[in-house]
Amino acid sequence: AQSVAQPEDQVKVAEGNPLTVKCTYSVSGNPYLFWYVQYPNRGLQFLLKYITGDNLVKGSYGFEAEFNKSQTSFHLKKPSALVSDSALYFCAVPTSGGYQKVTFGTGTKLQVIP
Amino acid sequence: GAVVSQHPSRVICKSGTSVKIECRSLDFQATTMFWYRQFPKQSLMLMATSNEGSKATYEQGVEKDKFLINHASLTLSTLTVTSAHPEDSSFYICSARKAGGYNEQFFGPGTRLTVL
Repeated sequence: AQSVAQPEDQVKVAEGNPLTVKCTYSVSGNPYLFWYVQYPNRGLQFLLKYITGDNLVKGSYGFEAEFNKSQTSFHLKKPSALVSDSALYFCAVPTSGGYQKVTFGTGTKLQVIP
Repeated sequence: GAVVSQHPSRVICKSGTSVKIECRSLDFQATTMFWYRQFPKQSLMLMATSNEGSKATYEQGVEKDKFLINHASLTLSTLTVTSAHPEDSSFYICSARKAGGYNEQFFGPGTRLTVL
C-alpha cells in the first residue's frame, strides 16, 4: 500500500533560518508526492508536487522539496523561514484506485520563532 | 484558478437535527470531490469519494446513512449529517480534483460543526 510518514510531530525554527520538514514514502511503482499546508481552522493549501523529472521541486510561498529515491524521502525545505510559515504541514501520496484518493501523513506542526 | 468554497464555515445545531454542508468548485469542473473529517491535532480522515452523477463511495467505518453525499453537478457536492449527535462535532473539509492524471486536490476552507 502507498503510504507516507512524517517522523516529526513538531519542528521549531528561528525566523530567518532554513527549515526542513521531513517526509518519507513507501510506494510501488513511480512515486507521486504532494505537500500541503494547513493554517489554523482552515482547509489545506497545495504547495507542490513531484511527478517526474528534476529532483528539486519548487512550489508556492518559496517552498521547495527534494525527492531522494535512494532514501525514499521527500523533505520540504525553505531557505529562510518566516513567522507566517507557522502552520501544519502534510505530505501526501495517491492511493491506488481509479479516483485518485490521497493518503496523508500525520502532519508536522511548524513553529517559526521570531 | 482552482478555488473551492464551502458553506457554511461554521454551524451550531441541536442534537437530532440535520445539517447540510455545500462544497463548490468555483472556477473548474470537478469530476471527483472528497469529504474529510479532521479531529483536533490530527490528520485528515477520508470519509467518502463523490463522483458526479453516481453514488458516493464510503470509506470503511463511515455510515452512509448518517453522512449523505450528493454530487449533483460538476461543481457542487453536498454532505448532509443526519440526526446529528455531539460526537459528530468536528471539522469537515471537502476537496475537489480536476479530471485527468495525478492532479492535486484543491481544498475548501472547512466547516466547523458543533452539535449541542
